[in-house]
Amino acid sequence: ILMTQSPVTLSVSPGTRATLSCKASQRIGSNLAWYQKKPGQAPRLLISSASTRATGVPSRFTGSGSGTEFTLTINSLQPEDFATYYCQYYEAGTFGQGTRLEI
Amino acid sequence: QVHLVQSGAEVRKPGSSVKVSCKASGYTFTEHYVHWVRQAPGQGLEWMGRINPVDGGTSYAQVSQGRVILTRDESANSVYLDLTNLQSDDTAVYFCARGMGDGYSFYFDSWGQGTVVTVSS
Repeated sequence: ILMTQSPVTLSVSPGTRATLSCKASQRIGSNLAWYQKKPGQAPRLLISSASTRATGVPSRFTGSGSGTEFTLTINSLQPEDFATYYCQYYEAGTFGQGTRLEI
Repeated sequence: QVHLVQSGAEVRKPGSSVKVSCKASGYTFTEHYVHWVRQAPGQGLEWMGRINPVDGGTSYAQVSQGRVILTRDESANSVYLDLTNLQSDDTAVYFCARGMGDGYSFYFDSWGQGTVVTVSS
């Protein structure tokens, strides 16, 4: 199963909304996680089971979708949200190629 | 609080080997698989494999087969990544991560800080 994220790069302004897409080549139910990755830091789990926010993750991060199409929405973008975001299908640890969120 | 602490940066020559450690604390070591994920410069995240801390059972990504060995020391709450016959494209940051789920369907809720491995002649 392949995971395809789009766009590769998303340019947005602070205070606005970002919508990131992740598509699976086959149906995967809700077996999807989202991570935030900043340079020089470890990845951070944001969302599991497609829509369950991890402990301590701000409510502006929302995961949705099931089957083959998934979305990570970040409302009211804060300066610290500019990073690369990866989706991951649970089986075989398959990651998407990432979406870089830039100002 | 869950902590995964990895060993420090390494520089190796092509053809040599490297061993990276990951020490877990803040949870019962035997209750979670530990996984390894790497990120080469300018590239994305790539799952390498995982180890069952109870019995040492392992599963590897196809790209890791034959050159990656995962071991664990239950008494030290630690897992180890051995990477052999290093090549320049093994230059990467290597992360250990605690798995949620089972050995085949999983995500990662806690991560080590990463270990930079540089392979250069």
